[in-house]
Amino acid sequence: TQLLEQSPQFLSIQEGENLTVYCNSSSVFSSLQWYRQEPGEGPVLLVTVVTGGEVKKLKRLTFQFGDARKDSSLHITAAQTGDTGLYLCAGRSGTYKYIFGTGTRLKVLA
Amino acid sequence: GAVVSQHPSRVICKSGTSVKIECRSLDFQATTMFWYRQFPKQSLMLMATSNEGSKATYEQGVEKDKFLINHASLTLSTLTVTSAHPEDSSFYICSAREAQGAGGYTFGSGTRLTVV
Repeated sequence: TQLLEQSPQFLSIQEGENLTVYCNSSSVFSSLQWYRQEPGEGPVLLVTVVTGGEVKKLKRLTFQFGDARKDSSLHITAAQTGDTGLYLCAGRSGTYKYIFGTGTRLKVLA
Repeated sequence: GAVVSQHPSRVICKSGTSVKIECRSLDFQATTMFWYRQFPKQSLMLMATSNEGSKATYEQGVEKDKFLINHASLTLSTLTVTSAHPEDSSFYICSAREAQGAGGYTFGSGTRLTVV
């Protein structure tokens, strides 16, 4: 069974602080996605990384795919209250299937 | 952008009854749709992969006779929870993969099922 472990599980920080969320697995994935989910809604795709070592930036969010394509990180600079939510990584397994990570619940305090 | 509509958003049903959840891709064709289940404050668990015109592929531990999936067209997949029990109460989410272009994935807004 492929598992994607995310750390930390919970994170509460002050507005303006920086943070990093990690997504780790013993399995190799052909691609990895990051999502943010608000309560009672479906996840919204933030980014897809495909190449080992790839780094993508989305405004204050920086995503990195590990060289071996087994892990990934999400770094948020100067967090805002609007960043609050559940962050999920998802690794592509098989032809089209994505397996989701355990999730990181982020709360940014004003 | 691609939109996936999921209905109903909330449903309450009595134990022993069946509930159908619909997942529609509104502006694109989806050859593959995925059904997930999410418990409170937990991640998404993949239940099954649904391909248009063929039988769904269920993940290990998911009862295919309890969670009936039908993907009759390129824009519609349904999940029927049969003989529902309180332990089936959960948040169910579908995702659709675009048949054309980059084959991106779009999620529905989810269905909160409560079995009383």
